[in-house]
Amino acid sequence: EDQVTQSPEALRLQEGESSSLNCSYTVSGLRGLFWYRQDPGKGPEFLFTLYSAGEEKEKERLKATLTKKESFLHITAPKPEDSATYLCAVQANTGFQKLVFGTGTRLLVSP
Amino acid sequence: GAGVSQSPRYKVAKRGQDVALRCDPISGHVSLFWYQQALGQGPEFLTYFQNEAQLDKSGLPSDRFFAERPEGSVSTLKIQRTQQEDSAVYLCASSTGAYQPQHFGDGTRLSIL
Repeated sequence: EDQVTQSPEALRLQEGESSSLNCSYTVSGLRGLFWYRQDPGKGPEFLFTLYSAGEEKEKERLKATLTKKESFLHITAPKPEDSATYLCAVQANTGFQKLVFGTGTRLLVSP
Repeated sequence: GAGVSQSPRYKVAKRGQDVALRCDPISGHVSLFWYQQALGQGPEFLTYFQNEAQLDKSGLPSDRFFAERPEGSVSTLKIQRTQQEDSAVYLCASSTGAYQPQHFGDGTRLSIL
């Protein structure tokens, strides 16, 4: 069964204090790994897709990396507006389109 | 451009009532997905449509849950004889095709009293 585990569950940072979020996964065959941001009362907002080990993608203060067993979301010099829940999801290459999500990391960045 | 639109945003129903939740996907998106999100959890897959065809309904928790997309655009998720455990946020997502990023609406928060 495909499974995603995210850590930590919650993370509190000071503005400018860089850190990383972890996403460990087991999947029968990885088609893609997705990172989403979710604000309270909103739907998940797409950030990145990673397809193969060694791949990296960046967007502003965020950088996502992928290995064969886990992905990291690095946040460099975060700002209060980066506060949100970050969700990781995997999609298998079995022919099914569904995303399997982790429970997310709640990030709070204080000024 | 317009994103995925879901209505109603909030729905309160008494146990045993039937409810219908609507999803308007992004124009031109052929793939449509429904997910259920409990408080503090990640979304869980319910069902998937490619145009009007329901290709995967493996996540529907019981036969009280039914989804349709008759003309390949708007979709409706129907829950019959609602139970308290059905209380959750129901999210709809759409994508341009196979294995493309899924874009989510803001969901319908369903509360069963």
